[in-house]
Amino acid sequence: DTEVTQTPKHLVMGMTNKKSLKCEQHMGHRAMYWYKQKAKKPPELMFVYSYEKLSINESVPSRFSPECPNSSLLNLHLHALQPEDSALYLCASSLRDIGSRAFFGQGTRLTVV
Amino acid sequence: DQQVKQNSPSLSVQEGRISILNCDYTNSMFDYFLWYKKYPAEGPTFLISISSIKDKNEDGRFTVFLNKSAKHLSLHIVPSQPGDSAVYFCAAKTNNAGNMLTFGGGTRLMVKP
Repeated sequence: DTEVTQTPKHLVMGMTNKKSLKCEQHMGHRAMYWYKQKAKKPPELMFVYSYEKLSINESVPSRFSPECPNSSLLNLHLHALQPEDSALYLCASSLRDIGSRAFFGQGTRLTVV
Repeated sequence: DQQVKQNSPSLSVQEGRISILNCDYTNSMFDYFLWYKKYPAEGPTFLISISSIKDKNEDGRFTVFLNKSAKHLSLHIVPSQPGDSAVYFCAAKTNNAGNMLTFGGGTRLMVKP
């Protein structure tokens, strides 16, 4: 199993809603990531979890709240988002060793209305 | 300041010919480089990688060349196929940065039949 699975694939939410994005991998990877990608731009790192602990938070607004309940799951809780937060949200995972590559999920296309 | 740059936003190549995608970086601490291929609304798919201790890595039709002194790497696709049409991202990482990837801006490759 070399997959990173993200749900849902598409999400439309209002600015007052609370929703969650989910990511799952069963490759035994101990580093998991959230990236945000706007149209025609490269993916931008948001958060890194290493061994279920948040190791990097790239100055992301608090309306995005990550959670890593166990080594296979990564969530991104969303609350009071703005229309400019609409983007493709990508989850990735990698082994925690030198030179390991990141496997990406298919992404969640988020639209904030 | 963009640490990884792909100066060509697009490239058009005839089927069967060679595609050469270029990437430049500024951070001399980068020690591992990866190329990802991305279709619209999907997550990036890993193609090939290279460690900073090597200058070439080959996998089938894909070859990555690294010139450390010039802080430059390139991806060669030979022969190019219409199915190779996608956006290609160069990414780099340092071993001491929590395994996080820094992406270039991407190059859209179009392979014409």
